[in-house]
Amino acid sequence: NAGVMQNPRHLVRRRGQEARLRCSPMKGHSHVYWYRQLPEEGLKFMVYLQKENIIDESGMPKERFSAEFPKEGPSILRIQQVVRGDSAAYFCASSPPTGNQPQHFGDGTRLSIL
Amino acid sequence: GEDVEQSLFLSVREGDSSVINCTYTDSSSTYLYWYKQEPGAGLQLLTYIFSNMDMKQDQRLTVLLNKKDKHLSLRIADTQTGDSAIYFCAESTAGGGNKLTFGTGTQLKVEL
Repeated sequence: NAGVMQNPRHLVRRRGQEARLRCSPMKGHSHVYWYRQLPEEGLKFMVYLQKENIIDESGMPKERFSAEFPKEGPSILRIQQVVRGDSAAYFCASSPPTGNQPQHFGDGTRLSIL
Repeated sequence: GEDVEQSLFLSVREGDSSVINCTYTDSSSTYLYWYKQEPGAGLQLLTYIFSNMDMKQDQRLTVLLNKKDKHLSLRIADTQTGDSAIYFCAESTAGGGNKLTFGTGTQLKVEL
């Protein structure tokens, strides 16, 4: 049973470009979460999605960041017009649809902004 | 508000026990988790405890929860060099949906 798959593992962008990070949840999981880890810090919650719905986006920056989880295909975290401060590791987690189940994490995407 | 704190570093000798501590502030915590992160990798779920439990044991891992003091600990028995990693505690809360609030992580270094 494959775990949470994130790609790419590493992404380099120049300032002003767009970054797209993908996450495929574990089989049978319909809840997806995105977290950001800045260097030397813990993970900070960004957004929680179910299929075609954003449930909680209280951790998302107000501008340039968006997330989706379409009916088909992976969840996408999109960052427009990237700046140096967006450099971080972005982790996706997923959990089953029932009850308070623990979240399982992918290996993350390390985003570097030149 | 939600705040989770951990000490930054812990160094132990191989074969000794390690105890990693965590404090949290939100009294409505429902579950508390321990995750392990090795360099360049994602987070591996080690164990978790429901907030109405005091203790949970799983092989070399023992989790103790003092709900009154809002204190959580992870004990690793017979610590090995492969246990060297960063350990994060995290909580989910009744009013917070399913999102996790993480501590800053404790870097465990196991010396020979």
